[in-house]
Amino acid sequence: DAGVIQSPRHEVTEMGQEVTLRCKPISGHDYLFWYRQTMMRGLELLIYFNNNVPIDDSGMPEDRFSAKMPNASFSTLKIQPSEPRDSAVYFCASSQGAGSPLHFGNGTRLTVT
Amino acid sequence: GNSVTQMEGPVTLSEEAFLTINCTYTATGYPSLFWYVQYPGEGLQLLLKATKADDKGSNKGFEATYRKETTSFHLEKGSVQVSDSAVYFCALSDYSNDYKLSFGAGTTVTVRA
Repeated sequence: DAGVIQSPRHEVTEMGQEVTLRCKPISGHDYLFWYRQTMMRGLELLIYFNNNVPIDDSGMPEDRFSAKMPNASFSTLKIQPSEPRDSAVYFCASSQGAGSPLHFGNGTRLTVT
Repeated sequence: GNSVTQMEGPVTLSEEAFLTINCTYTATGYPSLFWYVQYPGEGLQLLLKATKADDKGSNKGFEATYRKETTSFHLEKGSVQVSDSAVYFCALSDYSNDYKLSFGAGTTVTVRA
């Protein structure tokens, strides 16, 4: 089991550019979560999917953020246009079912200059 | 709503010292409780869990007991090692919040040789 795989590990971009973060969940896991981690706000849940369907996107900060899950093995989080305040570590996590422990990827460290 | 309050850090200890990180929670129903650990540059990993009152979760020398009467789930380890240096997160999931994890703010632990 390779675990949750995120790419890229690091992303540096200029303000106004589009950023796409990618995630491959653990095979057989029905739930996929996107989190953002900053020193100021800690861990924030942005959105989560169940069986590829977005269930709760109330944590998405604004319309510049969007997430998709076209199939059970792939999800993207897109920021367009990016801003310096989006700089953070973005984590993807998956779980087998409701209430099951989450398995996290190693995150994408995003820096927007 | 659900919430988790954990002891503020940072905590600095010498090797072989006793570690306690306090965690208390507020929940609508009967939550499951978790401790996650985040090593530098990595995502969160499940350390231990407990799903009902008086359950004791344990792993890697760490223990935590689900105390319903005090709504607590304190993490303990009798003799820490330098390799235990990490950020520790207390979390709960509950049906009332669609089993989404509610995380504490995290406690940074540094163990010195």
